[in-house]
Amino acid sequence: TQLLEQSPQFLSIQEGENLTVYCNSSSVFSSLQWYRQEPGEGPVLLVTVVTGGEVKKLKRLTFQFGDARKDSSLHITAAQPGDTGLYLCAGARRSGNTPLVFGKGTRLSVIA
Amino acid sequence: EAGVVQSPRYKIIEKKQPVAFWCNPISGHNTLYWYRQNLGQGPELLIRYENEEAVDDSQLPKDRFSAERLKGVDSTLKIQPAELGDSAVYLCASSLELAVGQAGEQYFGPGTRLTVT
Repeated sequence: TQLLEQSPQFLSIQEGENLTVYCNSSSVFSSLQWYRQEPGEGPVLLVTVVTGGEVKKLKRLTFQFGDARKDSSLHITAAQPGDTGLYLCAGARRSGNTPLVFGKGTRLSVIA
Repeated sequence: EAGVVQSPRYKIIEKKQPVAFWCNPISGHNTLYWYRQNLGQGPELLIRYENEEAVDDSQLPKDRFSAERLKGVDSTLKIQPAELGDSAVYLCASSLELAVGQAGEQYFGPGTRLTVT
């Protein structure tokens, strides 16, 4: 049983389109992180959310943590080819940001 | 500043052979993690070190996997003997402890892609 379910698993869109990817769980997390991973590289942290209902923005990326701290979403506005990659969410069940449990990821492809 | 360094980047071995991976964390990072990432999956934690002490190795298959971080800096992860199902990317990450029990951002290395034939 996957603790963190990410959807969709794959997403292919045209440059300029908007998209949202989801990370859902039946468990409560003290914090949740979003990473982007490119082929042949390790994941790179994009954001950490810790408060239920929290919204964080990183340029064209908007991250939201659910009120109950069980789910999160990542919205990308006007996607660009450079946004292509594997987006992973990871949750910490205990305070302290560790250990992290990762979802399977959403593989995004943005076509120019 | 150099990031997390891993070697080798790629390794192909036959089943039943031993293999070892090496990780050099970011200077000053006291916490080191080894993850395994299977194709189409997210990383799964194998072991976490705080300095030279393994504080979480519950997911490490101890019959064939071993790890060490003797001086609290570099670390090696060994598999002996390797099985076909061990084919995966092995990622090392490190972080700075911000406070007791509070880990900072994890920085990942590029990983070692292991293929067992």
